[in-house]
Formats: sequence, C-alpha cells, structure tokens
Amino acid sequence: DTEVTQTPKHLVMGMTNKKSLKCEQHMGHRAMYWYKQKAKKPPELMFVYSYEKLSINESVPSRFSPECPNSSLLNLHLHALQPEDSALYLCASSQVGGWADTQYFGPGTRLTVL
Amino acid sequence: AQKVTQAQTEISVVEKEDVTLDCVYETRDTTYYLFWYKQPPSGELVFLIRRNSFDEQNEISGRYSWNFQKSTSSFNFTITASQVVDSAVYFCALSEAGGVYGGSQGNLIFGKGTKLSVKP
Repeated sequence: DTEVTQTPKHLVMGMTNKKSLKCEQHMGHRAMYWYKQKAKKPPELMFVYSYEKLSINESVPSRFSPECPNSSLLNLHLHALQPEDSALYLCASSQVGGWADTQYFGPGTRLTVL
Repeated sequence: AQKVTQAQTEISVVEKEDVTLDCVYETRDTTYYLFWYKQPPSGELVFLIRRNSFDEQNEISGRYSWNFQKSTSSFNFTITASQVVDSAVYFCALSEAGGVYGGSQGNLIFGKGTKLSVKP
C-alpha cells in the first residue's frame, strides 16, 4: 500500500472553477513534490517543498498555487485553468529533498478541465 | 547535459517470456543515482530500485534483475518469466549530485518510458 495518498482520484472542473488537490504522506519525510504528467509522457516537476518551504518552482503559471501547511500535507490550489492543463497530477515525497533521495509517489489525481 | 534514453517505446511479449528494458544515460557527474519506476494503468509511479554510481553490482529481486554498466552508461532491467501483472510503463531516471539545482535539491531526469504489454 502506498504511504502517499492523494485526493480526489478524479476531478472535472470548468475553466472558471476553483478547486484543490490534496496530498498526504505518513513516512516522516520532509520534502514533497508536485508533478504534472500528460498522456504518454514522463512526469514533469512543478514544485518542491523542503522543510515546508518552497524550494523549487519550475516556472509554473500562477493559476497553480501550491501550499504546504505542514511536512505531511501538500495542497495544489487550482484557479482559472485551461483545457491544456488536463493531466495526471502526481504528488511525491522524499526524506529531505536532496539529490540522493528516493521519491515515493502517490496514486495521482486525474484532472479534466472543460 | 544530463539525459536518459529509453529507446524502446513499446514492447509486447507473451506471458512467461523474459524481457529486457534498456536504459542509457548521459552525465558529466561522477556521482549520481539511477532509478527504475513502474507505472501501471492505475497511474501510480511505483519505485523499484535505486543504484548509486559507485556500485556496479548487478541486483536481483525475485523475477526482476538489473544490470548496471558504467562503461556503456547503461542500467538495463530484465523481467524473467513475465506475467500479465507486469504490464505497465517503466521509467528509468537519473539524479546527479551536481544537478541543475546544485545538488542540494533533487531533480529526477526521467526517460520517456517503455510501455510493456504482457499477453496471456
């Protein structure tokens, strides 16, 4: 069983909606990640939080807004998305966020923007 | 520049066949980690193995084995006696000590993935 959980599993939203994706990990890790994955492509890194501070933002549009309330929780707030933002959004966690870490992924949220 | 190449886009085998998934990487760093992940149709990326650049020993875990050869910059993955449950997309990935964020922050470089279909 995965120790990284994500909710919801599926989300359909209109371009004017505001929604949030949630991720939780129970491994005591101090780094958490958001990835976006389009069909038949590898995951692309969006954001990294290390010790609850945003350490990497891969030039993601402001309609995606991450939040890390504590080291176990990671949210991704969505607003005014475009249809091209439809994708699988994966959350991951790792020990501290360093290059030698193994990242453990959650099951993902399949987002459809109409 | 760092890069991971998985030249096989799709592979189809019949159950019980052995199959090898190729992974070739490029890096100027001498210190790095290589990873394999499995992504079944459900979507979750499942961690399979991590190998550091100083450890060229082959690894076997049940029906899975990995062959790491620095001389050819390859980290190939073999499934012995494949099963239908092995059907998935498999990603090879690289993380360097002196990565794009200066090594203080992990940055996984993924290959494009190989889709494995195992037919009954």
